[in-house]
Amino acid sequence: DAGVTQSPTHLIKTRGQQVTLRCSPKSGHDTVSWYQQALGQGPQFIFQYYEEEERQRGNFPDRFSGHQFPNYSSELNVNALLLGDSALYLCASSPGGVGILHYGYTFGSGTRLTVV
Amino acid sequence: AQKITQTQPGMFVQEKEAVTLDCTYDTSDPSYGLFWYKQPSSGEMIFLIYQGSYDQQNATEGRYSLNFQKARKSANLVISASQLGDSAMYFCAMRDSPGGGADGLTFGKGTHLIIQP
Repeated sequence: DAGVTQSPTHLIKTRGQQVTLRCSPKSGHDTVSWYQQALGQGPQFIFQYYEEEERQRGNFPDRFSGHQFPNYSSELNVNALLLGDSALYLCASSPGGVGILHYGYTFGSGTRLTVV
Repeated sequence: AQKITQTQPGMFVQEKEAVTLDCTYDTSDPSYGLFWYKQPSSGEMIFLIYQGSYDQQNATEGRYSLNFQKARKSANLVISASQLGDSAMYFCAMRDSPGGGADGLTFGKGTHLIIQP
């Protein structure tokens, strides 16, 4: 049973460019969340998608946007890249449903983005 | 205000010893969940253990147990009989529902655990 798959694994972009990261959730999961993990820090929540809509958003600017497709896969888009956007971007999937606190997330191995 | 605090940036432990990783949290929601994840150098976050705020007993999963002290807002991870493969970053995380339906996890800054032979 495949877990969460993220692509690409590594990416180098130039300041000002745009980037798209992709995530396929674990089989049976319909909710996808994205996290940014700067070097030496814990992951920070960007946003979550459920039923193709953004359900919750963390403290990130509008340059960060996303999309969820009917097959539950998701994309994270970042526009006008800054040097500070360099980080490991983690995708996590979970079974859907509001208030189901005991379901843990399954994380992918992440996409390491370097902005130069 | 910081919601998850991990006060040990790094720890060195001898193989086969038990180790306790500290985590304190802050929330005003009576319903919340606490998680511990392991992150090896490969980057993947590996789920270790979960404790719900209403759970009466401390959670256990194999060599992992969670010392949950609700009144102190503490959720320490205990690893028994540590192994070399336990060397990794460990993150404490919380999910609460301040408005109902909010599912984003809040992570601490992590503890870098190194097991020495």
